[in-house]
Amino acid sequence: EAGVTQFPSHSVIEKGQTVTLRCDPISGHDNLYWYRRVMGKEIKFLLHFVKESKQDESGMPNNRFLAERTGGTYSTLKVQPAELEDSGVYFCASSRINEKLFFGSGTQLSVL
Amino acid sequence: EDQVTQSPEALRLQEGESSSLNCSYTVSGLRGLFWYRQDPGKGPEFLFTLYSAGEEKEKERLKATLTKKESFLHITAPKPEDSATYLCAVQFYNTDKLIFGTGTRLQVFP
Repeated sequence: EAGVTQFPSHSVIEKGQTVTLRCDPISGHDNLYWYRRVMGKEIKFLLHFVKESKQDESGMPNNRFLAERTGGTYSTLKVQPAELEDSGVYFCASSRINEKLFFGSGTQLSVL
Repeated sequence: EDQVTQSPEALRLQEGESSSLNCSYTVSGLRGLFWYRQDPGKGPEFLFTLYSAGEEKEKERLKATLTKKESFLHITAPKPEDSATYLCAVQFYNTDKLIFGTGTRLQVFP
């Protein structure tokens, strides 16, 4: 079974630019989550999709972040415009309803 | 505010030297407590879920226990391949999101 796949694995951009992160969940997983770890801090929740619907977006830092999940399959997380404090590792996770989460390897985002 | 605290931050063990990692929490309405293992450059990998005080789960050299305010991850006779960061996370009833601790970085030397 293929795992959760994230693209790109690394991204280096300048402040003010736009970056789009992509997550391909495990096939058949209705739940999709985005989490983020900034330097030295704990992993923090950003948002949760059930199929194509946003179930909980309470962790989204501000309106520079936009997440979508087209057709309930893959998801994208766009940061526009990026700021220095957006640097960190962005993790995607997926699961079947009420089952354990499988995490991707993350996207390391560096904003210079 | 709901909080998860892990200790120690880092732990160095000799191969075969057993020890325990701690995760304390102040979440009200706990739905579940989760342990994950994370290797460098990888995402967290699920180990255990505990749901109620007194519950224990085991997997190879790892054993997780839960009380009303904390959980322990016991590592018996560790091997170098057990070296990783161990993360604790809690979930409460009205949401699916996980609240993570900062982790314990474990190094096991031969």
